[in-house]
Amino acid sequence: QKEVEQNSGPLSVPEGAIASLNCTYSDRGSQSFFWYRQYSGKSPELIMFIYSNGDKEDGRFTAQLNKASQYVSLLIRDSQPSDSATYLCAVNRLANNNDMRFGAGTRLTVKP
Amino acid sequence: DTGVSQNPRHKITKRGQNVTFRCDPISEHNRLYWYRQTLGQGPEFLTYFQNEAQLEKSRLLSDRFSAERPKGSFSTLEIQRTEQGDSAMYLCASSPPGREVYEQYFGPGTRLTVT
Repeated sequence: QKEVEQNSGPLSVPEGAIASLNCTYSDRGSQSFFWYRQYSGKSPELIMFIYSNGDKEDGRFTAQLNKASQYVSLLIRDSQPSDSATYLCAVNRLANNNDMRFGAGTRLTVKP
Repeated sequence: DTGVSQNPRHKITKRGQNVTFRCDPISEHNRLYWYRQTLGQGPEFLTYFQNEAQLEKSRLLSDRFSAERPKGSFSTLEIQRTEQGDSAMYLCASSPPGREVYEQYFGPGTRLTVT
């Protein structure tokens, strides 16, 4: 079992729709959770992080965390073609993330 | 530009040669990380520095790999006797001090091709 699992996609949504990206993790002791966006050939760009159960909103993005289910998700509202990228979920056992574990990413395509 | 910078951006080398990459973190970020990323995979942790001290090393970091951060500012990653399997994107990231959650900011990466 991989430490961090994501559906590789591609996930395709029409422009203006809500994109829902999911991530599960195996280490129940994990404490902090991150979402990164990575355009093809570029480096990961931090979107947001979450460490408490529930929802955290930042603009069009909402991260959701359920530690009991070992599940974290990212919702992108009003999806734009510029959101087309690979989204990486990252997990750390400690709040001070010295050893962050990444999933392989979900490729999102937003169609105009 | 105040982001993480990495040099060179691309490196092509022949098998058996040594290569060295440089990372300059965001100013005042005391934590620095190296990752390796291959196509279709997420970044894999290699090593971590807090100031000049190398505090963690992954098992992925074989004896051919060495990293330094001599003055707690920039860092170098050296790969000796490169192998074709070393071909990857090498990413550097940094984190600021004094946070409850240490989010990491990545540089543009160095793409290594070993022929």
